[in-house]
Amino acid sequence: QVQIVQSGAEVRKPGASVKVSCKASGYNFRNYAINWVRQAPGQRLEWMGWINTGKGNTKYSQKFQGRVTISRDTSASTAYLELSSLTLEDTAEYYCARDLLDAAFDYWGQGTQVTVSS
Amino acid sequence: DIMMTQSPDSLAVSLGERATINCKSSQSLLYSSNNKTYLNWYQQKPGQPPKLLIYWASTRQSGVPDRFSASGSGTDFTLTISSLQAEDVAVYYCQQYYNTPRTFGQGTKVEIK
Repeated sequence: QVQIVQSGAEVRKPGASVKVSCKASGYNFRNYAINWVRQAPGQRLEWMGWINTGKGNTKYSQKFQGRVTISRDTSASTAYLELSSLTLEDTAEYYCARDLLDAAFDYWGQGTQVTVSS
Repeated sequence: DIMMTQSPDSLAVSLGERATINCKSSQSLLYSSNNKTYLNWYQQKPGQPPKLLIYWASTRQSGVPDRFSASGSGTDFTLTISSLQAEDVAVYYCQQYYNTPRTFGQGTKVEIK
């Protein structure tokens, strides 16, 4: 069965970077893109970007351009989100989600809490 | 960016009664080349990631109970829970997949009256 498991909670200071992993199993990792979505307290879900896990090309939300890097390791069936120059406003739950038929996000990781605190 | 606006922000419905959630997009989500409408609905329970309920505006995801249905076209969409069950208490989000950035509505919280 499809499973997506994310890395554990992180705490960072302002200005630092964080890298979150997203390990997929139960399907061919290269055949489905992976998206990253975050949810700050009391805020709506916010799409950050996407990676074509087969070709490796990426697309980022303009809001995060220059600060975000999404990558993948196909040998490990794992995608990564790296966010730099963290501010207090980056405190959020970060999710990865598989792309279904270029139409929706069908399987989600359990979420990774990233806390930015001085 | 396409703006997604849901209404109401919250609603309380008696068990067994109908719940209706609306979603409006700032531009049409109909992709004319394939005649598909790129509007999705998700359910999120506390402490859990979102769960896909509906994609292409009205296609129920595998395993989703048939009391969940959705309709709409262009810019106006509706999610209906025909007979509310206790396990349906959650926040519901619409999402457009028409272009990037993929944007979500602000969420509608459904509670038991």
